[in-house]
Amino acid sequence: AQSVAQPEDQVNVAEGNPLTVKCTYSVSGNPYLFWYVQYPNRGLQFLLKYITGDNLVKGSYGFEAEFNKSQTSFHLKKPSALVSDSALYFCAVRDIMNRDDKIIFGKGTRLHILP
Amino acid sequence: DTGVSQDPRHKITKRGQNVTFRCDPISEHNRLYWYRQTLGQGPEFLTYFQNEAQLEKSRLLSDRFSAERPKGSFSTLEIQRTEQGDSAMYLCASSRKLAGDLDTQYFGPGTRLTVL
Repeated sequence: AQSVAQPEDQVNVAEGNPLTVKCTYSVSGNPYLFWYVQYPNRGLQFLLKYITGDNLVKGSYGFEAEFNKSQTSFHLKKPSALVSDSALYFCAVRDIMNRDDKIIFGKGTRLHILP
Repeated sequence: DTGVSQDPRHKITKRGQNVTFRCDPISEHNRLYWYRQTLGQGPEFLTYFQNEAQLEKSRLLSDRFSAERPKGSFSTLEIQRTEQGDSAMYLCASSRKLAGDLDTQYFGPGTRLTVL
């Protein structure tokens, strides 16, 4: 069965510092991986996805994520955090071996960017 | 492209009442998904449609829940005889699925249900 773990409930980063939001996954085959962001009273917004190819994926709002197959991780990163990046971030995975298109979400990590 | 819309945004109901939510996907998106999100959790898959066909239902979707997408455009999710445990955010997402391709799901703002 596929699963996603986001080990940190909350991450605090000072504005201007680099940020990392961690995600590890478990699938039986190769993964498709996603990051979404959720702002208060709004739906999830797609940030980026990994399908295949380059392990470093660039997405919206200056975010990027690095796929590491040996560590089964897909950490979200940004070189310089903004206060407006404060939100709830979800990692999600789909197993290529699955015939359905269900994606499984992690529990989310709340990111606080301190001014 | 106006994004996925959901109506209502908030619903408060009494236990035992029926409720219905509507989702309008991005135009030309052939896939439509329903999720439920409770506090402190990520979205949990409920069901999805390709065009008007309902292809999969989660075990979370008890027989009190029913979803339709009659013309392959908008969808409705009905909950009968609501229970307090049904209180959650109900999220809809849509995508354009092409054969052999990985679709990206785009989410609506959600309907927050409170069952008193």
